[in-house]
Order: sequence, then C-alpha cells, then structure tokens
Amino acid sequence: GAVVSQHPSRVICKSGTSVKIECRSLDFQATTMFWYRQFPKKSLMLMATSNEGSKATYEQGVEKDKFLINHASLTLSTLTVTSAHPEDSSFYICSASLKTDTQYFGPGTRLTVL
Amino acid sequence: AQTVTQSQPEMSVQEAETVTLSCTYDTSENNYYLFWYKQPPSRQMILVIRQEAYKQQNATENRFSVNFQKAAKSFSLKISDSQLGDTAMYFCAFVPGSQGNLIFGKGTKLSVKP
Repeated sequence: GAVVSQHPSRVICKSGTSVKIECRSLDFQATTMFWYRQFPKKSLMLMATSNEGSKATYEQGVEKDKFLINHASLTLSTLTVTSAHPEDSSFYICSASLKTDTQYFGPGTRLTVL
Repeated sequence: AQTVTQSQPEMSVQEAETVTLSCTYDTSENNYYLFWYKQPPSRQMILVIRQEAYKQQNATENRFSVNFQKAAKSFSLKISDSQLGDTAMYFCAFVPGSQGNLIFGKGTKLSVKP
C-alpha cells in the first residue's frame, strides 16, 4: 500500500515552454500533497504544500506564478513549471499523506531545460 | 529553529556487517514523529522506519532498528546484516506535531562493500 506515482519520469523541454508534472496517490486518498526539489547530492527542499480543493502554500522564495500547483482531487496534484529556463532544471519529487505524519514519495521527475 | 543534523556525510560497511547512522534533531515540540528514509541510486525515496516520540520503545523493521534517545534528541539508525541493496543515501527527518512538513537532514551516503 501507500504507492505514489509521478509522470513523466523524465522530460526535456526548450527554454520558454511550460511543463506539467503529475503526482498521483494510487491506493489511498491524499489530503495533503507536497512538492520538493532536489539538487544533485543534496537533501530535499520543500517547495509547496497543497491540500485538495484549496490553494497551495508556497515556501519562502518559491515563485507561485512560476510553479503552479493544482490539487484537483484526493488522488491527483499537478506541478506546472511555467516559462521554464535552464536554472529550473532539477529533480522534482512529490509526496502524499493522508491526515497523518507520514509522507509517501513518488519516484521523481528529472526536468532538463535546454 | 527546528533542525536535523546528520554528522556523517559518508559511511561504508562490509556486506553482512552492522552499521549505525547518527542523527540529532532540535525542536521545542513535545509531540513529533521521526523517520529514516532511504534514497537509492534510482532516487526513489523509501520509508525505512518511523518512530513516535511519545513511545519509549524503539521501532524496528526487520534488519533496521533505531536507538531513540528523547532527552538527548538523538535518533540513530542501525542496519544489521548489511546487504548490497542497502547502498543509498539515508535521510533522517521529523515532523513536529501530528501533521506538517518534514524537516530533513542533509543525508548520509552509505556504501555497502562486497
């Protein structure tokens, strides 16, 4: 149980385009989903927290207009990187939790912006 | 400030041996939850073990066990009978309160040698 999927696993795009990453909880309903960014050989950096049906809460320094988060249902959250630039290239990871302290993580998405 | 410190950036262990990864944390909360996550080369974050701060008994999961010292704010992970598949980054983390954001340490890179 507690499986979280992420799609796509890898994406390459041109500078200026937008990219959408999907995060799904497959066998449970997630009241809260989290989006992280991870730089090489570093720990996870929380970008934002989203609750189903409400606006996401962004961490300080994360541009909400740049990283659009939608938590449309209890099993799906999306992160859209708008007008992507090379500095947005990174590994993005989502996680999901159900009214508990425990987060279950997706496999991550590697974004490369050319 | 709520922080997690992993003082060992890298460690290595021989296959079948036992290794202990250290973790200390700082919080003013009385109720919180502690975790060890494993991130192998695939970069999938995997929950290894979870400890509730109000429980004195140390959590165990097969070959993985913790030494939780609440007064010292210490939460070390012991891996017994190390296997090659245990090679990974190990992140110590905690959630202050019953729900909320995970606070991560910087990780310890563990290499299991044949």
